Amino acid sequence: NSKVIQTPRYLVKGQGQKAKMRCIPEKGHPVVFWYQQNKNNEFKFLINFQNQEVLQQIDMTEKRFSAECPSNSPCSLEIQSSEAGDSALYLCASSQDRGNTLYFGEGSRLIVV
Amino acid sequence: QQKVQQSPESLTVSEGAMASLNCTFSDGTSDNFRWYRQHSGKGLEVLVSIFSDGEKEEGRFTAHLNRASLHVSLHIREPQPSDSAVYLCAMSITPSGSWQLIFGSGTQLTVMP
Repeated sequence: NSKVIQTPRYLVKGQGQKAKMRCIPEKGHPVVFWYQQNKNNEFKFLINFQNQEVLQQIDMTEKRFSAECPSNSPCSLEIQSSEAGDSALYLCASSQDRGNTLYFGEGSRLIVV
Repeated sequence: QQKVQQSPESLTVSEGAMASLNCTFSDGTSDNFRWYRQHSGKGLEVLVSIFSDGEKEEGRFTAHLNRASLHVSLHIREPQPSDSAVYLCAMSITPSGSWQLIFGSGTQLTVMP
């Protein structure tokens, strides 16, 4: 069973508000991914890290989304100004190395009202 | 853009009957494939990873990969009601030296007692 821990499980924000989610990857896993899963089960890759370094991120992430994985602290994903279309399940996953199995947390469900 | 198509969208089987799920992908350059499942309101649980053509078994779950036909399947032996979940196939790709998982849209499996 995965040991990726995500908090909070749920968050409700008004449009324009900040939303911040945290993730503790599995111990010994330097690779961390963030995905957005919408109600149609569509997965959108947001960003990935190896240790503290960003490997790849999508254009959307560069504008309103920010993420970091500081050493000795949880990783985080923050949406600066939430929009209705951001309502989704945000999944964090970690892996021992690039190309290895990704283990997922239970997600943070964001509802933007 | 690489894509993954899953079929059927939903499947209902009786407890104990074999369940078969399918996935087709857009090209054969992927490194490997994984099957995940997601119970309602939960994160993703990895079931089986397959790297080469042929069969890979993990308990009651067996994956079959045929790169020539761009097809990977999952067979669930003796399914139980607790196996009712969304099943997702994921294709691993390495664009421009990075690494991502591309997900299908899932198959909702219902196992009737």
